[in-house]
Amino acid sequence: EAGVAQSPRYKIIEKRQSVAFWCNPISGHATLYWYQQILGQGPKLLIQFQNNGVVDDSQLPKDRFSAERLKGVDSTLKIQPAKLEDSAVYLCASSLVRSASGNTIYFGEGSWLTVV
Amino acid sequence: QKEVEQNSGPLSVPEGAIASLNCTYSDRVSQSFFWYRQYSGKSPELIMSIYSNGDKEDGRFTAQLNKASQYVSLLIRDSQPSDSATYLCAVRSNAGGTSYGKLTFGQGTILTVHP
Repeated sequence: EAGVAQSPRYKIIEKRQSVAFWCNPISGHATLYWYQQILGQGPKLLIQFQNNGVVDDSQLPKDRFSAERLKGVDSTLKIQPAKLEDSAVYLCASSLVRSASGNTIYFGEGSWLTVV
Repeated sequence: QKEVEQNSGPLSVPEGAIASLNCTYSDRVSQSFFWYRQYSGKSPELIMSIYSNGDKEDGRFTAQLNKASQYVSLLIRDSQPSDSATYLCAVRSNAGGTSYGKLTFGQGTILTVHP
């Protein structure tokens, strides 16, 4: 079974520039998450989708971050304009809505962003 | 108060010893509890999940849950150098009564197992 795919893996941009990250979840997974993990910290949920609807975006800095999940499959996370403090790993994850394993969340390899 | 808090590290244990990792959470209605392992430069991988009070064992790993004390722990027996990683505690609560539940992570505890 293919895992969660993310791209690009690494990105270096200057502050005030924009960047977009793409995620393809595990086939059949209705729930998709974007997490931000700053070095030395645990992952922080930015946004959670159920199919193509937003379930939780309470910690998404909406003045600069946006995310969409068209057709309930792939998702894109955009940052515009980027700030130095956005340097982090952006982790995409997915899970089934209902499963015997209690909705195990599977993570992609992450997209590493450095803002200079 | 942080929603999910882990014991401060780093934690260093000798090979073959028991490593004990602790986690407390603030939301009393939390229902699902997870331990993830994260190697440096890699994404988190699930190693244990626990949903009811008591102990759950899987190989060298034992998760312990006490909902009354809002406490969850992970024991690693016969620790190996390959267990050296950051261990993340994660707690799921139901958001708005749905089954979709927000997963909140602690800050992680770095474990080093030395030969």
